[in-house]
Amino acid sequence: DVKVTQSSRYLVKRTGEKVFLECVQDMDHENMFWYRQDPGLGLRLIYFSYDVKMKEKGDIPEGYSVSREKKERFSLILESASTNQTSMYLCASSWGLAQYFGPGTRLLVL
Amino acid sequence: ILNVEQSPQSLHVQEGDSTNFTCSFPSSNFYALHWYRWETAKSPEALFVMTLNGDEKKKGRISATLNTKEGYSYLYIKGSQPEDSATYLCASPEASSSGSARQLTFGSGTQLTVLP
Repeated sequence: DVKVTQSSRYLVKRTGEKVFLECVQDMDHENMFWYRQDPGLGLRLIYFSYDVKMKEKGDIPEGYSVSREKKERFSLILESASTNQTSMYLCASSWGLAQYFGPGTRLLVL
Repeated sequence: ILNVEQSPQSLHVQEGDSTNFTCSFPSSNFYALHWYRWETAKSPEALFVMTLNGDEKKKGRISATLNTKEGYSYLYIKGSQPEDSATYLCASPEASSSGSARQLTFGSGTQLTVLP
């Protein structure tokens, strides 16, 4: 079974802090994705990566950056957290059509 | 950005009832349609990936149909059980600007609650 893990289930940070969300997959997938989920808005794509050191902006990249130094790990970085980044963050990986999701990180920015 | 819409937004049914909900998507340049189930405190789980017009897929009591010409898919649950309570998401891929990978555009989901 594909396993996608995220470093934290819950996280509380203060406005202005730098925040790292880590995602690791164990199936050698080429593609990895970061989404945020907000009520009534579904999953929205922040960034994705199709290879090591390669990244591409999704629909809402503002305020975020990403890093993919190793194939299995894809990090989402909030350079200076703001209250409007309070959300559920989901990581996913894929090789073919279907995506495999991690359990999510619920981030609260105070 | 593709426009993927789901209805209804939420649904309450009694245990044993059958139910269905809708996903609509642009019919032009269709590539595939995904259905996911997202239970509370768990990861979204892929149910179906459908690519052909007229396709019908089934997994236990859950089935889905696809009409690519008119741009809709239905998800059916027969004899709903409390464990079917979840948010059901549909998504359609579109090519990235670099052509490197296909990103999914998700609908906002249908939240199903099955009452015992």
